[in-house]
Amino acid sequence: NAGVTQTPKFRVLKTGQSMTLLCAQDMNHEYMYWYRQDPGMGLRLIHYSVGEGTTAKGEVPDGYNVSRLKKQNFLLGLESAAPSQTSVYFCASREAGGSYNEQFFGPGTRLTVL
Amino acid sequence: DQQVKQNSPSLSVQEGRISILNCDYTNSMFDYFLWYKKYPAEGPTFLISISSIKDKNEDGRFTVFLNKSAKHLSLHIVPSQPGDSAVYFCAASFTTSGTYKYIFGTGTRLKVLA
Repeated sequence: NAGVTQTPKFRVLKTGQSMTLLCAQDMNHEYMYWYRQDPGMGLRLIHYSVGEGTTAKGEVPDGYNVSRLKKQNFLLGLESAAPSQTSVYFCASREAGGSYNEQFFGPGTRLTVL
Repeated sequence: DQQVKQNSPSLSVQEGRISILNCDYTNSMFDYFLWYKKYPAEGPTFLISISSIKDKNEDGRFTVFLNKSAKHLSLHIVPSQPGDSAVYFCAASFTTSGTYKYIFGTGTRLKVLA
């Protein structure tokens, strides 16, 4: 049981390049989330999904797109990267019920846009 | 406008003593409050949570207290151990349109001195 995994762990992009971050979970969770964490700020929600085939915008969705074609995977895309998207990106998942209401997080992807 | 605030960016405590981490919130609609622990280069891991209808929850060395009238919660760690040194995030969850969402504080870096 690997939990939540993220690929890649690190990436450096040039302004204008595109890339996709992959999040995978093996816990059969319904809900999946993408956050970004910047210095001095809490985790901010980019996009989320309440189930396979569904996606919705979070607090800071501009410049990002997502897809959830399979229940276990949640992809985050940057179509044209900007330096303002330099950040650490975390994926999280949670089950529909749950006693503690907690999310399970991946290890993060550190992205630098030059 | 930050709905969840952790006003202390850092805290140092001697091993064996009590660590108290604080969190304030503004929204009365939050239904759960959670604490996450984060080590460098790792994702946040769930520590403990409390329902908004409770005022205390305890799990081993960790206790969370909720004061609804003051819109304040705190995490007590007794006794503190060097392995507790990490960044602690307070989070509040709420349900909207059938979805669970979370608002995170900016984190408090705890250093437990041996």
